Amino acid sequence: QVQLQESGPGLVKPSETLSLTCTVSGGSIRSGGFYWGWIRQPPGKGLEWIGSTSFTGNPYYMPSLTSRVTVSLDTSKNQFSLQLSSVTAADTALYYCARLLVGDSPRFDYWGQGRLVTVSS
Amino acid sequence: AIQLTQSPSSLSASVGDRVTITCRASQGIRSALAWYQQKPGKAPKLLIYGVSTLESGVPSRFSGSGSGTDFTLTISSLQPEDFATYFCQQFHTPLTFGGGTKVEIK
Repeated sequence: QVQLQESGPGLVKPSETLSLTCTVSGGSIRSGGFYWGWIRQPPGKGLEWIGSTSFTGNPYYMPSLTSRVTVSLDTSKNQFSLQLSSVTAADTALYYCARLLVGDSPRFDYWGQGRLVTVSS
Repeated sequence: AIQLTQSPSSLSASVGDRVTITCRASQGIRSALAWYQQKPGKAPKLLIYGVSTLESGVPSRFSGSGSGTDFTLTISSLQPEDFATYFCQQFHTPLTFGGGTKVEIK
């Protein structure tokens, strides 16, 4: 059973960089056929895809965030991470990591429980 | 980016009711559409992918249909555990989600 768990600071100051890590167990992030990604949900609102990357492919990002976001893999720890720079209050959200199974019928099949990040001074 | 418009944004229904949620894409997405269920304080849970394929372990009262730009999630007989918010998602980059449909108890 694949499990994902987010970790990182719950409070970030405006203009600083938000950094989160997702630890994957029960499967390898080197496995083909998968992308690993981040999705966020502002309090009381809907879901927004941030970006995804894979061991064998290029990363893809939401265009509105591409100048500020990096999603990368650490294969030695079986983790992947999110960095979002120059944050503002609008970046306050519940951040989820998830596994994206690619192919003819793509889907996010495994999700972490979420990490609430508040941007405030 | 492809926009997904869900309707209604909320609905009230009773246990045993048949519930239908619609997801309309701003352009054709072939079969790259999934549906998720989210309960308060929980991560989204995959229900359906590829428009109509039920994820393992999901009750058969859930079904998906549609093609091109118009898609539907149907719950044939609403159960108490189905009161939640439902999201559709498409997979043409950039990935996007519908705005959600909250299913509440009447």
